[in-house]
Amino acid sequence: DIVMIQTPLSSPVTLGQPASIFCRSSQSLVHGDGNTYLSWLQQRPGQPPRLLIYKISDRFSGVPDRFSGSGAGTDFTLKISRVEAEDVGVYYCMQAAQFPWTFGQGTKVEIE
Amino acid sequence: EVQLVESGGGLVQPGGSLRLSCAASGFTFSSYSMNWVRLAPGKGLEWVSYISTGSTVILYADSVKGRFTISRDNAKDSLYLQMHSLRAEDTAVYYCVRDQHYSLDYWGQGTLVTVSS
Repeated sequence: DIVMIQTPLSSPVTLGQPASIFCRSSQSLVHGDGNTYLSWLQQRPGQPPRLLIYKISDRFSGVPDRFSGSGAGTDFTLKISRVEAEDVGVYYCMQAAQFPWTFGQGTKVEIE
Repeated sequence: EVQLVESGGGLVQPGGSLRLSCAASGFTFSSYSMNWVRLAPGKGLEWVSYISTGSTVILYADSVKGRFTISRDNAKDSLYLQMHSLRAEDTAVYYCVRDQHYSLDYWGQGTLVTVSS
């Protein structure tokens, strides 16, 4: 199975400041079709997870442009350009390059 | 508007069975692969099972293989998860999730399954 490791596991951030979350996979996430199926999801308190970013850097419908994704191969980053109060929650990276699809441990973002 | 509504969760004793359902609306259900994903208390997300549009491809996590069965009824816009031989470690919120070509784009609110005596 592909192991997904996120850092940090907890990220206290200041409102209006940037924040970054890193995700490393134990093997390349390049699928046989040439795409890299790395997604980022957000889970706000009391809510189901929500897709933010797919295929490394494509923003899902309705996601604010302060969220961006980057990376390649085995190393990926989610960046929030200016953290807002509604961004509090747990963020997960997820790979769908091969089954079983696997998630990172989650990074808790909270306002300091 | 895409909606996924799970039902069927509850309290069950170890070794017991439960059947989860997911009612889909707001999109052409038969055109999308579907998944079940769970979130156990204090843990992270875990993919549980996948079913293709025509039920020709069905996959499970090793942790549930042989005990859980995923199915769908495209005529009823519904997804199911039959769970047998339930264990304490199956306690979790179970989410019905749409698959948009290898990204999990829409999630239901989830249904809680508690396995305890």
